[in-house]
Amino acid sequence: NAGVTQTPKFQVLKTGQSMTLQCAQDMNHEYMSWYRQDPGMGLRLIHYSVGAGITDQGEVPNGYNVSRSTTEDFPLRLLSAAPSQTSVYFCASGRTGVTYNSPLHFGNGTRLTVT
Amino acid sequence: GENVEQHPSTLSVQEGDSAVIKCTYSDSASNYFPWYKQELGKRPQLIIDIRSNVGEKKDQRIAVTLNKTAKHFSLHITETQPEDSAVYFCAASMFQFYFGTGTSLTVIP
Repeated sequence: NAGVTQTPKFQVLKTGQSMTLQCAQDMNHEYMSWYRQDPGMGLRLIHYSVGAGITDQGEVPNGYNVSRSTTEDFPLRLLSAAPSQTSVYFCASGRTGVTYNSPLHFGNGTRLTVT
Repeated sequence: GENVEQHPSTLSVQEGDSAVIKCTYSDSASNYFPWYKQELGKRPQLIIDIRSNVGEKKDQRIAVTLNKTAKHFSLHITETQPEDSAVYFCAASMFQFYFGTGTSLTVIP
């Protein structure tokens, strides 16, 4: 199993450009999520999905879109990049629910700089 | 939504001493509490977790305790070693995972 695979590892954008961060998992996890990590602020949830065709907003969704057309893939789109979106982005997957929880498995992260 | 607070934000200990990191959560529905270790430039990785029907769990030098009534849980690392130096995150979950802001642990040889 490759686990959670994120691409690219590094990206530099100019203000106003758009891009998609890719995330794929091969563990058949229902739950997938995107976090951003900024110094002193921990991991903040951007968007999450509990299955194909189902997405919802997390704590900091503004400026980001997601879709979940398959169980395996959960891309994150920045429509018009802003310097405030400079951060490290982590994709994570797992199983969640009332009766069963398992830990999140994280990808290696994407370091994004917006100039 | 859930709010997770983590203390302290930085912690320095001498090698061989113990380290304790504390977290509180706000949503009594949260039923799963993992702890992650993140080394510089790496992804967070699970080190131990506990479910709401358990009060304490231990794995070698690492232990976690949970007080559901007070809505707080703690990470205990005994006999610390330099390789324990990292940032540690607590999290609370029922469906989504909400993370604390992290504790930077430094173990001084």
